[in-house]
Amino acid sequence: DQQVKQNSPSLSVQEGRISILNCDYTNSMFDYFLWYKKYPAEGPTFLISISSIKDKNEDGRFTVFLNKSAKHLSLHIVPSQPGDSAVYFCAATENAGGTSYGKLTFGQGTILTVHP
Amino acid sequence: DAGVTQSPTHLIKTRGQQVTLRCSPKSGHDTVSWYQQALGQGPQFIFQYYEEEERQRGNFPDRFSGHQFPNYSSELNVNALLLGDSALYLCASSFSNRGGEQYFGPGTRLTVT
Repeated sequence: DQQVKQNSPSLSVQEGRISILNCDYTNSMFDYFLWYKKYPAEGPTFLISISSIKDKNEDGRFTVFLNKSAKHLSLHIVPSQPGDSAVYFCAATENAGGTSYGKLTFGQGTILTVHP
Repeated sequence: DAGVTQSPTHLIKTRGQQVTLRCSPKSGHDTVSWYQQALGQGPQFIFQYYEEEERQRGNFPDRFSGHQFPNYSSELNVNALLLGDSALYLCASSFSNRGGEQYFGPGTRLTVT
């Protein structure tokens, strides 16, 4: 039962253009969502997150959008740079009580390639 | 400020053996989670430790066990290794009262032959 899905295994974008990575989830108890970037031979690096009480969060070139009714989130990277080439994972979690969060449930990842 | 560190980097074991992986959390973090990442997949949650106790567990058999020490560092133990246990094992740390962000170490690559 895949509760978090990234349906695009790969995405190719020209430098300077927008990259849009998509993620769908099925568990309505998820209330916190995150995006991670992973280079080969390294652990995932936290990029940006969003709480379910918001529909948008922005940090520099990265913006995450959340559509709760569609159970869909997306990560926009503008402008894309060759150094952004990596595997991107979306993840979701639910509040375990108070401000305590438990496990992250990850999607399968999307390989982003940004061409110069 | 040191991030999450894991040791060893790589490990080769034989089927049936036991292995111990180690993790030191990011400074100021009190919670440690362990994940298994198979090739081409997203990380899968194994368990989470807080205040030296297992707080939450994923769908992994009892062969997978862990421990958290008073200094918040943690160990992952896997007994009776199977070929299917070959994977990248990731440790993540977080602060229990600061949202859902978890910060990952570089991982330990375990190969079971």
